[in-house]
Amino acid sequence: QSALTQPASVSGSPGQSITISCTGTSSDVGGYNYVSWYQQHPGKAPKVIIYDVSKRPSGISNRFSGSKSGNTASLTISGLQAGDEADYYCYSYTTRSTYVFGSGTRVTV
Amino acid sequence: EVQLVESGGGLVQPGGSLRLSCAASGFTFSGYSMNWVRQAPGKGLEWLSYISTSSRNMYYADSVKGRFTVSRDNARNSLYLQISSLRAEDTAVYYCARTCTKAVCIDFWGQGTPVTVSS
Repeated sequence: QSALTQPASVSGSPGQSITISCTGTSSDVGGYNYVSWYQQHPGKAPKVIIYDVSKRPSGISNRFSGSKSGNTASLTISGLQAGDEADYYCYSYTTRSTYVFGSGTRVTV
Repeated sequence: EVQLVESGGGLVQPGGSLRLSCAASGFTFSGYSMNWVRQAPGKGLEWLSYISTSSRNMYYADSVKGRFTVSRDNARNSLYLQISSLRAEDTAVYYCARTCTKAVCIDFWGQGTPVTVSS
């Protein structure tokens, strides 16, 4: 049950768009539309920003969007802002009725 | 206001045991499945365990299966994690986390309770 694969870090300038990938297998990411994304600022609990691949919870900016193709899910942050600097994790349901997080990506603005 | 408050963490020797608790308030606890997630110092999130609303279904990560046991008491609005045969690599902050309603995600987290395994 290995962690889903994410790039360790992604950086961008204010106003730019960045995309974070999350690669799994057909037993997790590719098998279900149950991928969610979490934003975690230092010393804080994570916060869900995308669920069910591409849905945004109430109150989450539409600058955050999600998608999936095959075994890879993606999170795009558009109009990058200083407050977006944080760690981001993907999360997926698996065929064994368990769950798995991604390895995490540090976003630097 | 939704609140999840973990307790029970601390310093424990290798091979030892602890029982973590999570007190829930501000929502109908019995209506939500729950999870335990941990985060080792400077590391990423690791899902550990899931328990359904009625405790009928419980699932574990391979890394803790057989050593950790999740349980809940809906009458007391409480979630528990019994952890045993502790190893240095179990050192982490342990979070209680609520499953989203009608979606596969986690919508609320506690503040975490730290567990340190060291002699």
